[in-house]
Amino acid sequence: GQSLEQPSEVTAVEGAIVQMNCTYQTSGFYGLSWYQQHDGGAPTFLSYNALDGLEETGRFSSFLSRSDSYGYLLLQELQMKDSASYFCAVRDPWTGGGNKLTFGTGTQLKVEL
Amino acid sequence: DTAVSQTPKYLVTQMGNDKSIKCEQNLGHDTMYWYKQDSKKFLKIMFSYNNKELIINETVPNRFSPKSPDKAHLNLHINSLELGDSAVYFCASSQVAQGEQFFGPGTRLTVL
Repeated sequence: GQSLEQPSEVTAVEGAIVQMNCTYQTSGFYGLSWYQQHDGGAPTFLSYNALDGLEETGRFSSFLSRSDSYGYLLLQELQMKDSASYFCAVRDPWTGGGNKLTFGTGTQLKVEL
Repeated sequence: DTAVSQTPKYLVTQMGNDKSIKCEQNLGHDTMYWYKQDSKKFLKIMFSYNNKELIINETVPNRFSPKSPDKAHLNLHINSLELGDSAVYFCASSQVAQGEQFFGPGTRLTVL
């Protein structure tokens, strides 16, 4: 089975940098995805790490350490619009031909002035 | 252009009724999914189809029946609705075995 843990809530100030962690225990692992979801909205894809290291896309960066079963999402130059829930998700190689994503419990990010 | 669309957006119904949710994607993807998100925002996969073939069938009551008439459409029919079925149901699509999935806007189901 798969289980993913994320802190439930993080608060940060506009313009700051915030890191949201994700630890996972899985019976198999293809990669780690990150999704953003605003209240009342749909999850939207942010990034995907299949290999160890840092992936950067604009203000967002995602890191993966497969040996530590750990990843994080880093947001720089925080803006009020970044207030949302952030989910990590593991792709399971043993189910559905590698199509199954198991989501973490999500971190609610609150950005304050 | 809408990538993944769902209808209806809101569904309010009585216990015991039967209802359907429809999903369509115009991204040319070959894999589609149904997810349930509960009141605590926990997002869980229910079903997935690849080219009209069921490939993921999680532990879901058999009152829930998906159907994929073609690879661009995936519907979800729910029989004998229960209070615990109240949730937001998301349809999603992807290319096969990719970490990126595209979600529809969701259907908020309320069972009274």
